[in-house]
Order: sequence, then C-alpha cells, then structure tokens
Amino acid sequence: AQKVTQAQTEISVVEKEDVTLDCVYETRDTTYYLFWYKQPPSGELVFLIRRNSFDEQNEISGRYSWNFQKSTSSFNFTITASQVVDSAVYFCALIRGFKTIFGAGTRLFVKA
Amino acid sequence: GAVVSQHPSRVICKSGTSVKIECRSLDFQATTMFWYRQFPKQSLMLMATSNEGSKATYEQGVEKDKFLINHASLTLSTLTVTSAHPEDSSFYICSALTSGAVEQETQYFGPGTRLLVL
Repeated sequence: AQKVTQAQTEISVVEKEDVTLDCVYETRDTTYYLFWYKQPPSGELVFLIRRNSFDEQNEISGRYSWNFQKSTSSFNFTITASQVVDSAVYFCALIRGFKTIFGAGTRLFVKA
Repeated sequence: GAVVSQHPSRVICKSGTSVKIECRSLDFQATTMFWYRQFPKQSLMLMATSNEGSKATYEQGVEKDKFLINHASLTLSTLTVTSAHPEDSSFYICSALTSGAVEQETQYFGPGTRLLVL
C-alpha cells in the first residue's frame, strides 16, 4: 500500500527560526516521485519540489532545502530563517503511475 | 509553467441544485485530469481520474452519479455536483497532466473552487 505520513499537524515558530517538516512515505515500488506543495490561505497549491526515487541528492533552493533518504523512506523539508510569508499548509505527496497520495499536511505558523 | 484554471472560484448554491465546475488547461493539452476534494483542515482526496473521450474512473466511495465528470476536449474537464447537499460543501481542486507524460511528474493544479451549499 502507498501511504504518506506527516506526523506534525501544526508547527509554530518565531520569524528567523529554522523549521523542518517531516515526511515519511510507504511504497513497494522502485520507481516513484515525491513532491512538496505549499497551500497558502488562498487555497491554491504551489509546487515546491519534485524528486524521483532514483535521485537521492539533497537540494537547496534559497531558504528551502530537502533531505531525501530512501533508507528511512523520508523526504524532509527545511525552511531556514523562516518568514511570516511562509505561514501555510505544506503537503508532501507520493506519486506512483497516475495516482497521487497526499499526506495530511503540516500547518506552519510563523510569528513576527 | 503550464496554467490550469478553474471556474467558478467560489459558488454558493441552495440544497438540491446542481453545480458545474470547469477545469481548463490554458496552454497545453491534457489527456488526463484529476479531481480532488479537500474538506477544511484536511488533505486532498482524489475523487476521480478524467480521461479525454472516455468515462472517468472514480475512487472508492465516490458516487459517480452524484459527481458527474465530463472530459470532452483536451483542454476542458467539468465536474457537476448533482442535487448538492450541505455535506458536499468543500474545496474542489482539479489538476491536469500534460499529454505524453510518462509519469505523473508534470501535474499542474488549478486554483480550486470553494463550494458552499446552503
């Protein structure tokens, strides 16, 4: 069975703090894709990153970084020096074939 | 990047009426579109997969007679909520898969439609 677990329901930090959002997935497939999306209060999903199962390189994009570890089936997302505009719900998703499985989401509050 | 639009963005209707939501891929062709439903403070749940020119494939527990999906062209899929009830109030999001994609790595999401049934 495919499953995505985001154990952190809500996280609250103060601006400029670093924060890591956890994502653990389950799949028996060898080929799959992992995604992170941001959903601000407007509701629109904003694509952040895509990673395929064969690419375990970590990635950094500005204040965002991702740590993909196949050995622990985790794909964690870190925001460095958080800002108020980072406040949103963040979803981790697993895509296999034509099915997308979303995690429950982590609601991030960044306070000024 | 590719753009997917949804119309309307927000709709309020009376119980018992039907509501149609459109999902359009604006600058690419999409043989496959997906419809999701998101209840407040919950995750997105796939409702159905819409394929151009064929019947939609519904996920378990989704009533196909209640949620009618039509994918008549490569750029348009519609979701009609028939005889809507207050429990159908939700945020409906579509996504489109670019034609020729080998995997679902090029999925583009629409901005969503908020449905409130009174």
